[in-house]
Amino acid sequence: NAGVTQTPKFQVLKTGQSMTLQCAQDMNHNSMYWYRQDPGMGLRLIYYSASEGTTDKGEVPNGYNVSRLNKREFSLRLESAAPSQTSVYFCASSGYGGSGELFFGEGSRLTVL
Amino acid sequence: AQTVTQSQPEMSVQEAETVTLSCTYDTSENNYYLFWYKQPPSRQMILVIRQEAYKQQNATENRFSVNFQKAAKSFSLKISDSQLGDTAMYFCAFTDTSGTYKYIFGTGTRLKVLA
Repeated sequence: NAGVTQTPKFQVLKTGQSMTLQCAQDMNHNSMYWYRQDPGMGLRLIYYSASEGTTDKGEVPNGYNVSRLNKREFSLRLESAAPSQTSVYFCASSGYGGSGELFFGEGSRLTVL
Repeated sequence: AQTVTQSQPEMSVQEAETVTLSCTYDTSENNYYLFWYKQPPSRQMILVIRQEAYKQQNATENRFSVNFQKAAKSFSLKISDSQLGDTAMYFCAFTDTSGTYKYIFGTGTRLKVLA
């Protein structure tokens, strides 16, 4: 029972490099989310996709792009990584966007040097 | 914009004692949902409890219960008979039913249960 799967779990980048965080869920959920977690800041919403074919900005979208590839997959791309993007990133999904439980992946620790 | 505030960055409690974590939120919506999530050192986010705003009865899940005060926009979590395994970060979260689909989190409270 995989739930929400994120890859990679750890990544070290140099400033200016690009990378994509992959997320897939096998629960047939409509809504998917990307958060970043920083000490003292809690979880901040980067982008979300209420349903397949739609994406919207969250609280901190600058420097990121997303793609809802299909109902299962929602990727987060850093085009030109900056040290300020060093963080732990979580993907989450919900079957009843706006009311149901959020199911989270295990998180991806990204370090930008 | 909706906001969620957790004013206690860190707390500690003796094993078997009771502790209450505070959460306040701001919204102009009448219908919404509130959650408490637990994040142990493993980093995995785990749902502890969920409250629907239109339900006046406070939610309970075993040793975990909430005190939901809609007028005061307050949603505190009470942990009874604290156990060492309750040591974790606890996040309060909010989502409304207006169709925004956003889940907003507080900054978290780090709880340490002492033996």
